[in-house]
Amino acid sequence: ILNVEQSPQSLHVQEGDSTNFTCSVPSSNFYALHWYRWETAKSPEALFVMTLNGDEKKKGRISATLNTKEGYSYLYIKGSQPEDSATYLCASQGPSGGYNKLIFGAGTRLAVHP
Amino acid sequence: DAGVTQSPTHLIKTRGQQVTLRCSPKSGHDTVSWYQQALGQGPQFIFQYYEEEERQRGNFPDRFSGHQFPNYSSELNVNALLLGDSALYLCASSLGTRRGAYYEQYFGPGTRLTVT
Repeated sequence: ILNVEQSPQSLHVQEGDSTNFTCSVPSSNFYALHWYRWETAKSPEALFVMTLNGDEKKKGRISATLNTKEGYSYLYIKGSQPEDSATYLCASQGPSGGYNKLIFGAGTRLAVHP
Repeated sequence: DAGVTQSPTHLIKTRGQQVTLRCSPKSGHDTVSWYQQALGQGPQFIFQYYEEEERQRGNFPDRFSGHQFPNYSSELNVNALLLGDSALYLCASSLGTRRGAYYEQYFGPGTRLTVT
């Protein structure tokens, strides 16, 4: 079974702080890594999909990197704002169990305080 | 462009009852996946439908079944409800799958099922 681990479980930061979270996947079984942002009472929103070792993606103040050899991805938020408060989920996609499903971590819950 | 929609938003059922949840995919998408999110956990894959057939199934009992209609919308049915079935059920749509291709899944807001 492919386990996706996210850390930390929760994070409280002040407005303007930069922060980062980690997503770990077994490097032996990996095809694509997805990041989602999930605000309360809304749908999970796709942020990035990464497949290549060394991939770096950026959307505004949020960026992500991928290291398939070591089996982890980092999500960075520069200058956090209260509207960044959400749960950030990562999910792996790989041959184990079939390519069609996403295997999610439990998420990192971010709270940005004004 | 309508995104993924789900109905109902909330549902309360009694143990032993049956429930049907519905999902309409994002316009242009032909694949629907269902996930269950229990409290404190990430979403868990239930199954995926493509071309009106169950393409892949996660580790869920046969009490969980589904259907996809010609217009690509989908239903999730759960029979003989247990207390442990209380969860948020998410539907995600995507555009077809082919081996070797990654794809984005677009999620609906979910249906909150409470079993008492």
